[in-house]
Amino acid sequence: DVKVTQSSRYLVKRTGEKVFLECVQDMDHENMFWYRQDPGLGLRLIYFSYDVKMKEKGDIPEGYSVSREKKERFSLILESASTNQTSMYLCASSSPGQKLTDTQYFGPGTRLTVL
Amino acid sequence: DQQVKQNSPSLSVQEGRISILNCDYTNSMFDYFLWYKKYPAEGPTFLISISSIKDKNEDGRFTVFLNKSAKHLSLHIVPSQPGDSAVYFCAATLLSGNTGKLIFGQGTTLQVKP
Repeated sequence: DVKVTQSSRYLVKRTGEKVFLECVQDMDHENMFWYRQDPGLGLRLIYFSYDVKMKEKGDIPEGYSVSREKKERFSLILESASTNQTSMYLCASSSPGQKLTDTQYFGPGTRLTVL
Repeated sequence: DQQVKQNSPSLSVQEGRISILNCDYTNSMFDYFLWYKKYPAEGPTFLISISSIKDKNEDGRFTVFLNKSAKHLSLHIVPSQPGDSAVYFCAATLLSGNTGKLIFGQGTTLQVKP
């Protein structure tokens, strides 16, 4: 079974702090994704990565950056956290080799609260 | 611009009856569609998918229907069970684009009453 783990389930930070959210997958997947989930807005893509050191902006990259130094690890960074970044953050991975599915496997999520 | 829309935020059905969740999309280039289910405090899990070359895909109690001319898909759950209570997201992608990128709808919260 694919396993995607996220470093924290719940996180509380203060405005202006630098925040690191870590995601690790154990299935050698090339693609990794960061989403945020907000009520009424669904899952919105922040950044994604096809390969080590590769990254692409998603739909809402402002205020975020990412790092992928190793294939299994994809980090989301909030350079200076703001209250409007309070959200559920979900990491996912997938492999382009999967037959037709493009199925993404998700981690359990990190509930971030910025005070 | 919301390319994938789920216009019903919530749905409540009685156990044993049919649940129908709807999804509309605007981009006619999308060629693959997926449904995910999400329980509270868990990540979404893949449920069922359909290619644009088909109009129906069935997996046990779950059936997805695709109407390309209407740019509409629906998920039918028959019979509904209390354990089906969750948030359901539809998603669309362009397989030929080969990015692995999914576009998600806003989600519909399904409540199945015993």
